[in-house]
Amino acid sequence: GAVVSQHPSWVICKSGTSVKIECRSLDFQATTMFWYRQFPKQSLMLMATSNEGSKATYEQGVEKDKFLINHASLTLSTLTVTSAHPEDSSFYICSATGTSGRLSYNEQFFGPGTRLTVL
Amino acid sequence: AQKVTQAQTEISVVEKEDVTLDCVYETRDTTYYLFWYKQPPSGELVFLIRRNSFDEQNEISGRYSWNFQKSTSSFNFTITASQVVDSAVYFCALSEFNAGKSTFGDGTTLTVKP
Repeated sequence: GAVVSQHPSWVICKSGTSVKIECRSLDFQATTMFWYRQFPKQSLMLMATSNEGSKATYEQGVEKDKFLINHASLTLSTLTVTSAHPEDSSFYICSATGTSGRLSYNEQFFGPGTRLTVL
Repeated sequence: AQKVTQAQTEISVVEKEDVTLDCVYETRDTTYYLFWYKQPPSGELVFLIRRNSFDEQNEISGRYSWNFQKSTSSFNFTITASQVVDSAVYFCALSEFNAGKSTFGDGTTLTVKP
């Protein structure tokens, strides 16, 4: 099956610093990647959708300048939380869909998530 | 706009009991996918099932079964003979048919006591 990895799995940083989270599709070409945020005991909320080689489309209420998304290749998307603050502490999950050879996926495959703690 | 409602916030059962998790959805699309995911304390989403809107057949996989009723826009999930390892948060999700973005319900926290 299709596998998506995330790195790091957890990160602790100081307030004001920037943190980069990577999302990789390991065995397929991810033409579209999604970034979700999940606060404790809450549901997953979609932050943005990115297509390879294009600018990401952000959901309403998500700050584009704070959450920088880059999807420069078919196997890698990055989310950079700029000038992180304690309120950005959350569980960030990426998902991806795309193709593998002649197979075109109709579903998203989720990464294991990255837990960000901002002190 | 799409919406997924999981009315049960928390459910607690004793081991070996059967339990049903409800999911009701709203969409204007005629074609779509429905999913159930399990999220254990580790946080990683575990895929359980995908059902497309054309297929209303119910499905059984071991102790898990799903009842999809398009007429009532419901996609309920039943665990038979629950076990302690079933304790987790379960999410129902609705996705655009062309692998577009997914809308998640608020989740149901299931606790199975020994």
